Amino acid sequence: AQSVTQPDIHITVSEGASLELRCNYSYGATPYLFWYVQSPGQGLQLLLKYFSGDTLVQGIKGFEAEFKRSQSSFNLRKPSVHWSDAAEYFCAGSNSGGSNYKLTFGKGTLLTVNP
Amino acid sequence: EPEVTQTPSHQVTQMGQEVILRCVPISNHLYFYWYRQILGQKVEFLVSFYNNEISEKSEIFDDQFSVERPDGSNFTLKIRSTKLEDSAMYFCASSDLVRGQPQHFGDGTRLSIL
Repeated sequence: AQSVTQPDIHITVSEGASLELRCNYSYGATPYLFWYVQSPGQGLQLLLKYFSGDTLVQGIKGFEAEFKRSQSSFNLRKPSVHWSDAAEYFCAGSNSGGSNYKLTFGKGTLLTVNP
Repeated sequence: EPEVTQTPSHQVTQMGQEVILRCVPISNHLYFYWYRQILGQKVEFLVSFYNNEISEKSEIFDDQFSVERPDGSNFTLKIRSTKLEDSAMYFCASSDLVRGQPQHFGDGTRLSIL
């Protein structure tokens, strides 16, 4: 069955420190992969997406993610975290073929940023 | 930037009552979705809609649920007889033609069943 796993439920970093949020996927073929961010009381905002091609993708707000087929991973990174980055981050995947386009989400990683 | 709009932001309903959640997708999008997020749990797919019909639904989407695109702009989710376990945040999403991705989400409707 298709699945997306985020191993870290909660991560705390200091403002200005680097950040890496982990995501692993299990799909029959290489899926489309996404990172979304959810601030309290808000909807899901798309940070970045991977369809194919360059395995390092750039997103909004200074985030990037790297697709690694050998590790079935799509980790999100940011070189220097800002206090406004505190939010919950969701990794999601979908099939890249056929007509089934639903997103399968990980359980999310809550990011706390210390001043 | 175009947005997906959901109304109401919060709906409180008595158990057994019908509720309709409304969404206005991005205007040139063709794929529409509903997801839900029970408090503290992951976001779950409910249903996808394309070309005026359901293209896929999850096992959660039973006979109590229905979706409709009554006109050219709205996309609704109806829960016919609500249960306590329907309490959740419901998200609408839409996407354009490229394999239904990426999906753009609204801010959600928090549904509270009493």
